[in-house]
Amino acid sequence: DAKTTQPTSMDCAEGRAANLPCNHSTISGNEYVYWYRQIHSQGPQYIIHGLKNNETNEMASLIITEDRKSSTLILPHATLRDTAVYYCIVSLSNDYKLSFGAGTTVTVRA
Amino acid sequence: DARVTQTPRDKVTEMGQEVTMRCQPILGHNTVFWYRQTMMQGLELLAYFRNRAPLDDSGMPKDRFSAEMPDATLATLKIQPSEPRDSAVYFCASGDPGRGELFFGEGSRLTVL
Repeated sequence: DAKTTQPTSMDCAEGRAANLPCNHSTISGNEYVYWYRQIHSQGPQYIIHGLKNNETNEMASLIITEDRKSSTLILPHATLRDTAVYYCIVSLSNDYKLSFGAGTTVTVRA
Repeated sequence: DARVTQTPRDKVTEMGQEVTMRCQPILGHNTVFWYRQTMMQGLELLAYFRNRAPLDDSGMPKDRFSAEMPDATLATLKIQPSEPRDSAVYFCASGDPGRGELFFGEGSRLTVL
């Protein structure tokens, strides 16, 4: 599986958009980009995933660059409950083996 | 709400004791994973099953760990004998390949003294 690089931490103001970057320059053509988050003491929670096109759901938007070497997760209106560790993972969709890195610790401040 | 259920939520045991953690995956999900999380190593994949058959357990110490799915509603992770370095939170997750989403349980926190 391709490796990903994420910033260690970032702060975000409540009510503002949070843009979380992820680099995955070695991603192969059939690997998807997945985002999960883990709120303290809970199990990881799926957010969104995509292959080439930008994706949006009720939680977030995923913007993937045309060359697929990087992506950005956007939380449109961050709340205090969005404080968590966010993991960017690349994996084959039919494999489902997700390798979690260190992720980005996002702190939303009032 | 369908959810992955794990038991026990917390377990404190002494070195050398057998520990069994159980997981009830979401009904209809055919893929089940076991992960371990520690501060030092983060989330590590231990083993996973598809249609109850083990697909990969390369992340698991073979001499003391074993994972099974006796039926579609139950996955077990057993440690025998347990050691202090096994202290961690163990997560079970289930999913349906192609859907893109894994559902994780709340975890079993294991402390081996």
